[in-house]
Amino acid sequence: QQQVKQSPQSLIVQKGGISIINCAYENTAFDYFPWYQQFPGKGPALLIAIRPDVSEKKEGRFTISFNKSAKQFSLHIMDSQPGDSATYFCAAKAFNDYKLSFGAGTTVTVRA
Amino acid sequence: NAGVMQNPRHLVRRRGQEARLRCSPMKGHSHVYWYRQLPEEGLKFMVYLQKENIIDESGMPKERFSAEFPKEGPSILRIQQVVRGDSAAYFCASSPPQTGGWFAEAFFGQGTRLTVV
Repeated sequence: QQQVKQSPQSLIVQKGGISIINCAYENTAFDYFPWYQQFPGKGPALLIAIRPDVSEKKEGRFTISFNKSAKQFSLHIMDSQPGDSATYFCAAKAFNDYKLSFGAGTTVTVRA
Repeated sequence: NAGVMQNPRHLVRRRGQEARLRCSPMKGHSHVYWYRQLPEEGLKFMVYLQKENIIDESGMPKERFSAEFPKEGPSILRIQQVVRGDSAAYFCASSPPQTGGWFAEAFFGQGTRLTVV
């Protein structure tokens, strides 16, 4: 079964706008939550990641918000640019595990 | 340092043929993982290998699929007697050895897109 649920499936945002992607998980053993960016024809590349001991992590225009009690986390892309157009995957794994559980992905299109 | 190298990038096979997908991990990485991405789905774990050892193949279909990571050479994912449902993107990832109970971040290759006609 899908261990990580991701929404929306796709979104369109104007240049300069905010893109928000949400993920939810069930497995309380998960304690590492990365986000991957994938361009067409390429492999997923790690974008940003968070551990549950913090509620927010920011790197440049990308911010992860984490709600441990709700078992939800989200990616915010501020000041979205056309170059951000890609598919974004949330993922999760446990500390002592190697298997990543991926969400289904969100295709983001930034219109100039 | 070259990234994870996968080849071929695209592979077309007729139903019933064999598909061989190759993955060369990053230099210094001894752990290899294979994931499969079906259309409009996230990546699904298939198998975890170290040199000459299959550590976890819990995500591999029971039949027709096999994987190896020999002492010399790339890791190979082999699919025998392919069917249309095998059409997908297959990604390999590699990571350095585990330290202190923590599995280091894995880096993904560009994938092999398999099309079965």
